[in-house]
Amino acid sequence: QVQLVQPGAEVRKPGASVRISCKTSGFDLNKYPIHWVRQAPGHSLEWMGWLNGGNGNTKSLEKFQARLTLTMDTSASTVYMELGGLTSEDTAVYYCAKEETDGDYAAYWGQGSLLTVSS
Amino acid sequence: SYELTQPLSVSVALGQTATITCGGNDIHYKNVHWYQQKPGQAPVLVIYRDIYRPSGIPERFSGSNSGNTASLTISRAQVGDEADYYCQVWDRVIWVFGGGTKLTVL
Repeated sequence: QVQLVQPGAEVRKPGASVRISCKTSGFDLNKYPIHWVRQAPGHSLEWMGWLNGGNGNTKSLEKFQARLTLTMDTSASTVYMELGGLTSEDTAVYYCAKEETDGDYAAYWGQGSLLTVSS
Repeated sequence: SYELTQPLSVSVALGQTATITCGGNDIHYKNVHWYQQKPGQAPVLVIYRDIYRPSGIPERFSGSNSGNTASLTISRAQVGDEADYYCQVWDRVIWVFGGGTKLTVL
């Protein structure tokens, strides 16, 4: 079955970077876009960007473009989200999600990774 | 950028019908998707492309989309339906989420 597995938690200091992994199984990563969505405590879901599994192309929200990098390792069936220049406002749960073939939505999500940015 | 507006909260009596709205300019031209999120859990897709239910989602959940408003309707509301609900659309090349609605079952 389709699964997206993420690490549980990460802690970083302000100014640092973090790379969060999303290990996929149960489908061909080369055929599906993977999206990243974050949720700050008590806030709504915020879309960050997506990676095209077929060609590795990426697109991200303008506010993140300067410090967000999305990559993939096909041999490991894993997608990575790296966010730099961290501030306390980046404290959030980060989700990866698989886009479905017939539309721009996600039926499968990772369990989420809690990133805490604190000095 | 495209914006989606949801009420902060909706209350419904046990066994009654709840409707959660999602407003957006000419939203009827877009496919609207709905997610349910319970505390500490990842979102779960409950309605996609306006009206379709994924397998495993009860028939009590239904959706509609007309004019400037899309709606998620939950019939015969149960305590287990208490959650935050988010609408989502694709706008050009990005996903947009609504601000979320907290559903309380009284």
